[in-house]
Amino acid sequence: EPEVTQTPSHQVTQMGQEVILRCVPISNHLYFYWYRQILGQKVEFLVSFYNNEISEKSEIFDDQFSVERPDGSNFTLKIRSTKLEDSAMYFCARYPPPGANTEAFFGQGTRLTVV
Amino acid sequence: DAKTTQPPSMDCAEGRAANLPCNHSTISGNEYVYWYRQIHSQGPQYIIHGLKNNETNEMASLIITEDRKSSTLILPHATLRDTAVYYCIVKWNSGNTPLVFGKGTRLSVIA
Repeated sequence: EPEVTQTPSHQVTQMGQEVILRCVPISNHLYFYWYRQILGQKVEFLVSFYNNEISEKSEIFDDQFSVERPDGSNFTLKIRSTKLEDSAMYFCARYPPPGANTEAFFGQGTRLTVV
Repeated sequence: DAKTTQPPSMDCAEGRAANLPCNHSTISGNEYVYWYRQIHSQGPQYIIHGLKNNETNEMASLIITEDRKSSTLILPHATLRDTAVYYCIVKWNSGNTPLVFGKGTRLSVIA
Protein backbone atom coordinates (compact mmCIF):
# COMPACT_ATOMS: atom_id res chain seq x y z
CA GLU A 1 0.00 0.00 0.00
CA PRO A 2 1.49 3.35 -1.02
CA GLU A 3 2.43 5.88 1.61
CA VAL A 4 0.79 8.67 -0.37
CA THR A 5 -2.04 8.48 -2.90
CA GLN A 6 -2.73 11.27 -5.35
CA THR A 7 -5.95 11.93 -7.21
CA PRO A 8 -6.74 12.29 -10.00
CA SER A 9 -3.96 10.61 -11.91
CA HIS A 10 -4.67 12.81 -14.93
CA GLN A 11 -6.59 16.07 -15.14
CA VAL A 12 -7.38 17.99 -18.30
CA THR A 13 -8.68 21.50 -17.86
CA GLN A 14 -9.32 24.57 -19.92
CA MET A 15 -7.15 27.63 -19.47
CA GLY A 16 -8.55 29.92 -16.81
CA GLN A 17 -10.34 27.17 -14.92
CA GLU A 18 -9.65 26.24 -11.31
CA VAL A 19 -8.22 22.82 -10.49
CA ILE A 20 -7.77 21.02 -7.20
CA LEU A 21 -5.22 18.27 -6.87
CA ARG A 22 -5.49 15.91 -3.91
CA CYS A 23 -3.02 14.02 -1.80
CA VAL A 24 -4.18 11.38 0.65
CA PRO A 25 -1.78 9.98 3.24
CA ILE A 26 -2.35 6.58 4.79
CA SER A 27 -1.47 7.71 8.28
CA ASN A 28 -1.53 10.90 10.27
CA HIS A 29 1.44 12.61 8.69
CA LEU A 30 2.02 16.27 9.44
CA TYR A 31 4.59 17.35 6.86
CA PHE A 32 3.63 17.58 3.23
CA TYR A 33 5.33 19.01 0.21
CA TRP A 34 4.22 19.73 -3.32
CA TYR A 35 6.59 19.55 -6.27
CA ARG A 36 6.00 19.91 -9.95
CA GLN A 37 7.82 18.70 -13.03
CA ILE A 38 7.23 20.29 -16.41
CA LEU A 39 7.76 17.76 -19.18
CA GLY A 40 11.47 17.25 -19.80
CA GLN A 41 12.54 19.50 -16.94
CA LYS A 42 13.68 19.14 -13.34
CA VAL A 43 11.50 18.33 -10.36
CA GLU A 44 10.85 21.70 -8.69
CA PHE A 45 9.79 22.46 -5.12
CA LEU A 46 6.56 24.42 -4.76
CA VAL A 47 5.51 24.52 -1.12
CA SER A 48 5.81 22.79 2.23
CA PHE A 49 2.94 22.50 4.67
CA TYR A 50 3.17 21.68 8.33
CA ASN A 51 0.46 21.56 10.93
CA ASN A 52 -2.03 23.27 8.64
CA GLU A 53 0.27 26.13 7.73
CA ILE A 54 2.65 26.89 4.91
CA SER A 55 6.18 26.62 6.27
CA GLU A 56 8.11 27.40 3.10
CA LYS A 57 7.32 28.23 -0.51
CA SER A 58 9.27 28.80 -3.70
CA GLU A 59 9.00 31.72 -6.09
CA ILE A 60 6.91 29.51 -8.35
CA PHE A 61 4.19 29.36 -5.70
CA ASP A 62 2.50 32.67 -6.47
CA ASP A 63 -0.99 33.93 -5.67
CA GLN A 64 -2.53 31.53 -8.18
CA PHE A 65 -1.63 28.63 -5.89
CA SER A 66 -2.98 27.67 -2.50
CA VAL A 67 -2.74 24.65 -0.24
CA GLU A 68 -4.92 23.43 2.56
CA ARG A 69 -5.99 20.42 4.52
CA PRO A 70 -9.75 20.93 4.44
CA ASP A 71 -10.89 17.87 6.35
CA GLY A 72 -7.83 16.94 8.38
CA SER A 73 -6.84 14.13 6.06
CA ASN A 74 -6.76 15.14 2.39
CA PHE A 75 -4.08 17.63 1.45
CA THR A 76 -4.94 19.79 -1.56
CA LEU A 77 -3.17 22.03 -4.04
CA LYS A 78 -5.42 24.52 -5.79
CA ILE A 79 -4.59 26.48 -8.89
CA ARG A 80 -7.13 29.27 -9.23
CA SER A 81 -6.86 30.24 -12.86
CA THR A 82 -4.80 27.77 -14.82
CA LYS A 83 -2.39 28.83 -17.54
CA LEU A 84 -0.93 26.76 -20.32
CA GLU A 85 2.44 26.78 -18.54
CA ASP A 86 0.89 25.09 -15.50
CA SER A 87 0.80 21.87 -17.50
CA ALA A 88 3.06 19.52 -15.59
CA MET A 89 3.26 16.51 -13.29
CA TYR A 90 2.46 17.51 -9.73
CA PHE A 91 3.87 15.36 -6.94
CA CYS A 92 2.87 15.31 -3.31
CA ALA A 93 5.46 14.10 -0.81
CA ARG A 94 5.15 13.04 2.79
CA TYR A 95 8.14 14.10 4.83
CA PRO A 96 9.38 12.80 8.17
CA PRO A 97 9.33 15.12 11.19
CA PRO A 98 12.47 17.18 11.96
CA GLY A 99 15.34 15.07 13.18
CA ALA A 100 13.83 11.81 12.03
CA ASN A 101 16.31 9.81 10.04
CA THR A 102 13.90 8.62 7.38
CA GLU A 103 13.17 9.49 3.83
CA ALA A 104 10.49 11.39 1.99
CA PHE A 105 7.81 9.40 0.18
CA PHE A 106 6.41 10.74 -3.05
CA GLY A 107 3.06 10.00 -4.56
CA GLN A 108 2.74 8.83 -8.15
CA GLY A 109 1.71 12.27 -9.28
CA THR A 110 -1.12 14.01 -11.09
CA ARG A 111 -0.58 14.88 -14.72
CA LEU A 112 -2.21 18.27 -15.31
CA THR A 113 -2.87 19.26 -18.90
CA VAL A 114 -4.12 22.79 -19.54
CA VAL A 115 -5.64 23.31 -22.98
CA ASP B 1 22.54 23.06 0.19
CA ALA B 2 25.70 22.00 -1.61
CA LYS B 3 25.58 21.65 -5.37
CA THR B 4 26.07 18.26 -6.97
CA THR B 5 27.46 17.26 -10.36
CA GLN B 6 26.45 14.06 -12.13
CA PRO B 7 27.07 12.72 -15.63
CA PRO B 8 23.98 13.22 -17.79
CA SER B 9 23.73 9.61 -18.90
CA MET B 10 25.20 6.14 -18.46
CA ASP B 11 24.61 2.69 -19.88
CA CYS B 12 24.91 -0.58 -18.02
CA ALA B 13 24.53 -4.18 -19.16
CA GLU B 14 21.80 -6.15 -17.45
CA GLY B 15 23.17 -8.19 -14.56
CA ARG B 16 26.26 -6.06 -14.17
CA ALA B 17 26.92 -3.54 -11.45
CA ALA B 18 25.91 0.03 -12.18
CA ASN B 19 28.21 2.61 -10.60
CA LEU B 20 26.78 6.12 -10.62
CA PRO B 21 29.18 8.89 -9.55
CA CYS B 22 28.35 12.20 -7.91
CA ASN B 23 30.60 15.12 -7.07
CA HIS B 24 29.69 17.35 -4.14
CA SER B 25 32.91 19.20 -3.37
CA THR B 26 31.22 21.99 -1.37
CA ILE B 27 29.40 19.65 1.02
CA SER B 28 29.42 20.83 4.63
CA GLY B 29 30.00 18.71 7.68
CA ASN B 30 26.36 18.25 8.63
CA GLU B 31 24.98 17.62 5.15
CA TYR B 32 23.92 14.17 4.06
CA VAL B 33 24.11 12.62 0.62
CA TYR B 34 20.74 11.33 -0.60
CA TRP B 35 19.95 9.31 -3.69
CA TYR B 36 16.55 9.19 -5.33
CA ARG B 37 15.47 7.84 -8.67
CA GLN B 38 12.60 8.53 -11.02
CA ILE B 39 11.33 5.80 -13.28
CA HIS B 40 9.70 7.30 -16.36
CA SER B 41 7.32 9.99 -15.04
CA GLN B 42 6.58 8.36 -11.71
CA GLY B 43 7.19 10.07 -8.38
CA PRO B 44 10.79 10.14 -7.16
CA GLN B 45 11.69 7.07 -5.16
CA TYR B 46 14.11 7.09 -2.24
CA ILE B 47 17.09 4.77 -2.60
CA ILE B 48 19.62 5.42 0.15
CA HIS B 49 21.38 8.14 2.09
CA GLY B 50 24.51 8.56 4.20
CA LEU B 51 26.68 11.02 6.06
CA LYS B 52 30.22 9.70 5.90
CA ASN B 53 30.15 5.94 6.33
CA ASN B 54 29.36 3.60 3.48
CA GLU B 55 25.78 2.41 3.54
CA THR B 56 24.01 -0.62 2.10
CA ASN B 57 20.36 -1.58 1.90
CA GLU B 58 18.28 -3.97 -0.16
CA MET B 59 18.35 -1.66 -3.17
CA ALA B 60 21.89 -0.31 -3.36
CA SER B 61 25.19 0.60 -1.75
CA LEU B 62 26.50 4.09 -1.19
CA ILE B 63 30.21 4.71 -1.11
CA ILE B 64 31.30 8.12 0.19
CA THR B 65 34.94 9.17 -0.13
CA GLU B 66 36.85 9.99 3.01
CA ASP B 67 36.90 13.71 2.23
CA ARG B 68 33.15 13.48 1.44
CA LYS B 69 33.59 15.43 -1.77
CA SER B 70 32.21 12.66 -3.93
CA SER B 71 30.15 9.50 -3.71
CA THR B 72 29.13 6.53 -5.81
CA LEU B 73 25.80 4.76 -5.87
CA ILE B 74 26.16 1.09 -6.71
CA LEU B 75 23.34 -1.08 -8.01
CA PRO B 76 25.00 -4.51 -7.66
CA HIS B 77 23.03 -6.39 -10.31
CA ALA B 78 21.21 -3.96 -12.57
CA THR B 79 17.97 -5.08 -14.17
CA LEU B 80 15.89 -3.51 -16.93
CA ARG B 81 13.59 -2.14 -14.24
CA ASP B 82 16.47 -0.06 -12.89
CA THR B 83 16.36 2.12 -16.01
CA ALA B 84 15.61 5.56 -14.56
CA VAL B 85 16.97 9.01 -13.81
CA TYR B 86 19.09 8.92 -10.65
CA TYR B 87 19.43 12.03 -8.52
CA CYS B 88 22.20 12.74 -6.05
CA ILE B 89 21.08 15.38 -3.53
CA VAL B 90 22.95 16.94 -0.64
CA LYS B 91 20.92 18.33 2.22
CA TRP B 92 20.68 18.67 5.94
CA ASN B 93 19.03 15.66 7.52
CA SER B 94 17.37 17.50 10.36
CA GLY B 95 14.62 19.91 9.57
CA ASN B 96 12.49 19.73 6.50
CA THR B 97 14.46 21.60 3.90
CA PRO B 98 13.11 20.75 0.46
CA LEU B 99 14.91 18.34 -1.79
CA VAL B 100 16.61 20.24 -4.61
CA PHE B 101 16.64 18.08 -7.71
CA GLY B 102 19.21 18.57 -10.44
CA LYS B 103 19.11 16.94 -13.85
CA GLY B 104 20.46 13.65 -12.53
CA THR B 105 21.96 10.76 -14.45
CA ARG B 106 19.81 8.86 -16.90
CA LEU B 107 20.78 5.21 -16.47
CA SER B 108 19.87 2.88 -19.29
CA VAL B 109 20.13 -0.82 -18.49
CA ILE B 110 20.61 -2.78 -21.67
CA ALA B 111 19.68 -6.42 -22.18
